[in-house]
Amino acid sequence: AQSVTQLDSHVSVSEGTPVLLRCNYSSSYSPSLFWYVQHPNKGLQLLLKYTSAATLVKGINGFEAEFKKSETSFHLTKPSAHMSDAAEYFCVVRSYSSASKIIFGSGTRLSIRP
Amino acid sequence: DAGITQSPRHKVTETGTPVTLRCHQTENHRYMYWYRQDPGHGLRLIHYSYGVKDTDKGEVSDGYSVSRSKTEDFLLTLESATSSQTSVYFCAISESYFYEQFFGPGTRLTVL
Repeated sequence: AQSVTQLDSHVSVSEGTPVLLRCNYSSSYSPSLFWYVQHPNKGLQLLLKYTSAATLVKGINGFEAEFKKSETSFHLTKPSAHMSDAAEYFCVVRSYSSASKIIFGSGTRLSIRP
Repeated sequence: DAGITQSPRHKVTETGTPVTLRCHQTENHRYMYWYRQDPGHGLRLIHYSYGVKDTDKGEVSDGYSVSRSKTEDFLLTLESATSSQTSVYFCAISESYFYEQFFGPGTRLTVL
């Protein structure tokens, strides 16, 4: 069975400081992992994806994530937060075996303090 | 941005009435999906389609039906809307099921 846990429902950081959004997953098979961002009243936008190539994945807007199989984690990081990063972030795990085997985390709301 | 539109964008309806939401794509992607988004639940898959007239159920399919008569259109129908179906509904598309999905802008549905 697959599952995904976003460990923080809300993260608040100051502008210019690092961002860490945590995601742990469970999957019977080698999963594909994604991070999406959702700005208020908008659809979801793909930030980055892991599909069994490099374990350190770079995405848009300076975000990156590292796949750690031993820790079953796929944490999202950014060295320096910007006010425009304030949004909801979703970690997603999907199986190669079926289109229906896609699980979204419950989301982490990122707030940026001036 | 991927060419995905949803209509209507907002709808208020009464319990027991039928409702149809439309998703239209211009990308010619094979796969199309309907999700609902509720606070604390992230997104949950309702139904998906892997080709014209080919559909399957997702995690929360009870009370919903879908149809896909053309590659570009995927319809979600609530045969008899209930208050528990008040939600934001998102359509998504992908070239294949193991590729990333691209999302539409969403439809906010309120069932009174």
